[in-house]
Amino acid sequence: DQQVKQNSPSLSVQEGRISILNCDYTNSMFDYFLWYKKYPAEGPTFLISISSIKDKNEDGRFTVFLNKSAKHLSLHIVPSQPGDSAVYFCAAISGTNSGGSNYKLTFGKGTLLTVNP
Amino acid sequence: DTGVSQDPRHKITKRGQNVTFRCDPISEHNRLYWYRQTLGQGPEFLTYFQNEAQLEKSRLLSDRFSAERPKGSFSTLEIQRTEQGDSAMYLCASSLGGWDRGFFITGELFFGEGSRLTVL
Repeated sequence: DQQVKQNSPSLSVQEGRISILNCDYTNSMFDYFLWYKKYPAEGPTFLISISSIKDKNEDGRFTVFLNKSAKHLSLHIVPSQPGDSAVYFCAAISGTNSGGSNYKLTFGKGTLLTVNP
Repeated sequence: DTGVSQDPRHKITKRGQNVTFRCDPISEHNRLYWYRQTLGQGPEFLTYFQNEAQLEKSRLLSDRFSAERPKGSFSTLEIQRTEQGDSAMYLCASSLGGWDRGFFITGELFFGEGSRLTVL
């Protein structure tokens, strides 16, 4: 049972345009969401996160939007650069806002982003 | 380099052999995690430690798998009697979590580069 779903295995965009990566989740207990970027032969690198008490978090070219009612989040990269080409993983945690200590990340399968020059 | 380091980066072994992977987390991080990633999948949680205590184990961690973090610093993941299905990338991560105004603040996980296991 895939609790975090990234339904697009790949996405290709032109340099300078917007990249939108989508993620859906089924577990309503998730209350913290993270995006990781992964280059080949490297471990995942943290990119940006958002708590369920917010609906938007922005960090430079990266913005994450959270729609709790739809159980959907998206990562926007503007403008996209060739160096952004990587696999992007969406991940979720439950229990962080309730004083719990569940630290287990549940990952999606990832989306391969290719930014063409 | 003060990131998470893993050793070896790649291990090829024959079915039935034992293998051990080592992870050195970021020194001030109190939490250490092991994940496994197979082709086309996202990382899957295996286990995690708070200091030296192993607090959670996934059902993916069969009795052939054992993880330790003896002094709350580095960790080892041992796989006994390896099977071809064990072939995967084993990722270690560490984080620093803490309490803030009654809420447990999630620290981001910093991953190592992984140890790729190939079982022939």
